[in-house]
Amino acid sequence: EAQVTQNPRYLITVTGKKLTVTCSQNMNHEYMSWYRQDPGLGLRQIYYSMNVEVTDKGDVPEGYKVSRKEKRNFPLILESPSPNQTSLYFCASSRRVNSPLHFGNGTRLTVT
Amino acid sequence: ELKVEQNPLFLSMQEGKNYTIYCNYSTTSDRLYWYRQDPGKSLESLFVLLSNGAVKQEGRLMASLDTKARLSTLHITAAVHDLSATYFCAVAVIPNSGGSNYKLTFGKGTLLTVNP
Repeated sequence: EAQVTQNPRYLITVTGKKLTVTCSQNMNHEYMSWYRQDPGLGLRQIYYSMNVEVTDKGDVPEGYKVSRKEKRNFPLILESPSPNQTSLYFCASSRRVNSPLHFGNGTRLTVT
Repeated sequence: ELKVEQNPLFLSMQEGKNYTIYCNYSTTSDRLYWYRQDPGKSLESLFVLLSNGAVKQEGRLMASLDTKARLSTLHITAAVHDLSATYFCAVAVIPNSGGSNYKLTFGKGTLLTVNP
């Protein structure tokens, strides 16, 4: 089944403890991106990648890192999480620039 | 900086009625997307609009794009309860650095509630 898989679905952590949220797609998509969703703010793009080893900042990249070493994987790294990064995170991918995004099921992160 | 504004943000309507959600954006773009999100769920794609004058229809939903006015509309015809969800528009812009990468900016979403 074609899908975007995020793990974990739920994560509670403490300030400063490094964490990684994984994202994998099995559709051979070129484009992948990360978003955070906060009440009243909609979705905001964190980072995106058009291809392996090609990444770029979205609108809210501060405090996040990404890597694209393989086409299928696009992990989101929080080196030192802070409470203002508590949010619902979505990974998404698309076949090419003009194609619609396929979203993962989301990761709800709480940083205390 | 690209701004994408949706209105209304909240819409409560009766079954059988028609209504339109508006999506305005501030920068030239010829790529606009509509997504739907059910409560507690992920987003699913509804429409991709790629050129001025593009119109797409699926069931009771019809989306259109006017790139000159920087406006897209999502029209709901004869609403039914199953259409209750949050609807997002999203606009793609290729950064000044060029290439094939592009940023995608979402509106804040329109929470639609269809009442019996």
